[in-house]
Amino acid sequence: QKEVEQNSGPLSVPEGAIASLNCTYSDRGSQSFFWYRQYSGKSPELIMFIYSNGDKEDGRFTAQLNKASQYVSLLIRDSQPSDSATYLCAVIRGIQGAQKLVFGQGTRLTINP
Amino acid sequence: ETGVTQTPRHLVMGMTNKKSLKCEQHLGHNAMYWYKQSAKKPLELMFVYNFKEQTENNSVPSRFSPECPNSSHLFLHLHTLQPEDSALYLCASSQDIVTATSTDTQYFGPGTRLTVL
Repeated sequence: QKEVEQNSGPLSVPEGAIASLNCTYSDRGSQSFFWYRQYSGKSPELIMFIYSNGDKEDGRFTAQLNKASQYVSLLIRDSQPSDSATYLCAVIRGIQGAQKLVFGQGTRLTINP
Repeated sequence: ETGVTQTPRHLVMGMTNKKSLKCEQHLGHNAMYWYKQSAKKPLELMFVYNFKEQTENNSVPSRFSPECPNSSHLFLHLHTLQPEDSALYLCASSQDIVTATSTDTQYFGPGTRLTVL
């Protein structure tokens, strides 16, 4: 089982709709979760982090965390063509003193005008 | 710009060459990282440095040799690479190294696109 699993896509969403990106993780002890966006040919940039169960909203982005189900998602409301990118889920896992950030393979999102 | 720069941006080398990748961060961070990103594979952590001391080597082959002379600079020395080493090599930095409850953002450089012939 992969440590962090994402559907690689591509996920196509019409402009203005809600894009829903999902991620599952294997380490039940993980506490911090991140969503990065990576445009083609560019490096990843952090868009949100979450560490408490429930929802966290930032503008058009909402991160949702369910630790019992080991599931974290990212919702993008009012999707814009500029949101077209690969979205990387990352999870901190590991034992005390040896934690590291582990990335999923990313979901490629395309917003269609 | 994230405050992390990498040079060169593109590198083509033969399997017998020796080359070095350079990373510099202008953010005053204490931790620096090397990642490898191959097509259709997750970002792979290679090395971690904290206050210029190596804290993690993620089972990376010895043909990759990191060097961190100070907290702002990180190098990756390459020698006798294989074609399967062709990838995007990303440098990142964060204020401190990862902990279980860390919310420290890792800032990535633009990467070096490496092609090994």
